Amino acid sequence: GAGVSQSPSNKVTEKGKDVELRCDPISGHTALYWYRQRLGQGLEFLIYFQGNSAPDKSGLPSDRFSAERTGESVSTLTIQRTQQEDSAVYLCASSLSAGGTDTQYFGPGTRLTVL
Amino acid sequence: AQTVTQSQPEMSVQEAETVTLSCTYDTSESNYYLFWYKQPPSRQMILVIRQEAYKQQNATENRFSVNFQKAAKSFSLKISDSQLGDTAMYFCALNSNSGYALNFGKGTSLLVTP
Repeated sequence: GAGVSQSPSNKVTEKGKDVELRCDPISGHTALYWYRQRLGQGLEFLIYFQGNSAPDKSGLPSDRFSAERTGESVSTLTIQRTQQEDSAVYLCASSLSAGGTDTQYFGPGTRLTVL
Repeated sequence: AQTVTQSQPEMSVQEAETVTLSCTYDTSESNYYLFWYKQPPSRQMILVIRQEAYKQQNATENRFSVNFQKAAKSFSLKISDSQLGDTAMYFCALNSNSGYALNFGKGTSLLVTP
């Protein structure tokens, strides 16, 4: 079946603008995760959704970052008033359920460049 | 807190040779899972291999195998018969049943040369 998809693939924006990144998880996966990967670094956790439960936002770096997910479908990550330090690849992953039992499968990411 | 350390920023291996990538970790959890992911220039993170901590047997997937030393908290990846397509960043990651976010190391850049 189809894997995790993300759009856009690349996004260039000016400092201060808002951006919206989209993630389509694998069908049937109840858990969805957003990670950020800065240049030359590993991935850092941002936010996690599990079904209809309240999301875990503990990894969001500031209140300029927010994310939504409706049920077990598409998720959007919004960054308001973008700053140059927001430049990174934003990766989305999904898994059948939460916890380490089920493997997380990743999308191709969105490369965000803030000028 | 859980931490993952990859001490080799870059490695190089000739085609058809064997290479081992190192990973050490720290966790207070008794039930956890370890992963190796591959990230080629396309950015797509691809699962290479997975190991459940409660299993003593080392996981194997074709040319990829791990050496899991639980007491030493070590989880190395061995790539046999290296191929040009193995050129990528390799990330070691840790998860536990009580958590959900993967904890990643900083990665090892592997270059396979002809």
